[in-house]
Amino acid sequence: NAGVMQNPRHLVRRRGQEARLRCSPMKGHSHVYWYRQLPEEGLKFMVYLQKENIIDESGMPKERFSAEFPKEGPSILRIQQVVRGDSAAYFCASSPGQHYSGNTIYFGEGSWLTVV
Amino acid sequence: RKEVEQDPGPFNVPEGATVAFNCTYSNSASQSFFWYRQDCRKEPKLLMSVYSSGNEDGRFTAQLNRASQYISLLIRDSKLSDSATYLCVVNRAGNMLTFGGGTRLMVKP
Repeated sequence: NAGVMQNPRHLVRRRGQEARLRCSPMKGHSHVYWYRQLPEEGLKFMVYLQKENIIDESGMPKERFSAEFPKEGPSILRIQQVVRGDSAAYFCASSPGQHYSGNTIYFGEGSWLTVV
Repeated sequence: RKEVEQDPGPFNVPEGATVAFNCTYSNSASQSFFWYRQDCRKEPKLLMSVYSSGNEDGRFTAQLNRASQYISLLIRDSKLSDSATYLCVVNRAGNMLTFGGGTRLMVKP
């Protein structure tokens, strides 16, 4: 049973370009979470999605960031017009049910975005 | 004020030492508590859940004091492989995990 799969693992973008990060949850998991970790900081919640629905996007920056989890295919975190401050590790996690109901959450290995 | 506060360290200890990390959280509505371990440029991995009665897993002991909103992690007989960043994590019902900034541990030979 493969774990949470993220790609690319490392991505370099020039300022102003777009970054797309993909996340395939564990088999059987329908809940996906994105977290961001800036250098030397803890993880910060960004968005929680179920298939075709955004459940909680309270941690998403108001501009340039969007996320989706289509019926088919991986969840995608999209960052438009990247700036240097977007350089961070982006972790995806999944759970079989709503995490706050006690299900364990599983993290992917992360995608490291560097903006030059 | 951060919702989950940790001393960033680093804590430099010799092999075999006992080391303790503390964490405080600000939201009294927090219901679930965890310690995660994160190695350099890796994903966080669950080390253990933390219960009010205190719990132990081998060399690791976690304690929760709800009245003081304080969580601790004790590592006995430190190993070189314990070197990592330890993340204190809390969870409010209906909300996502909130991570502390982490405490870095370096175990030296």
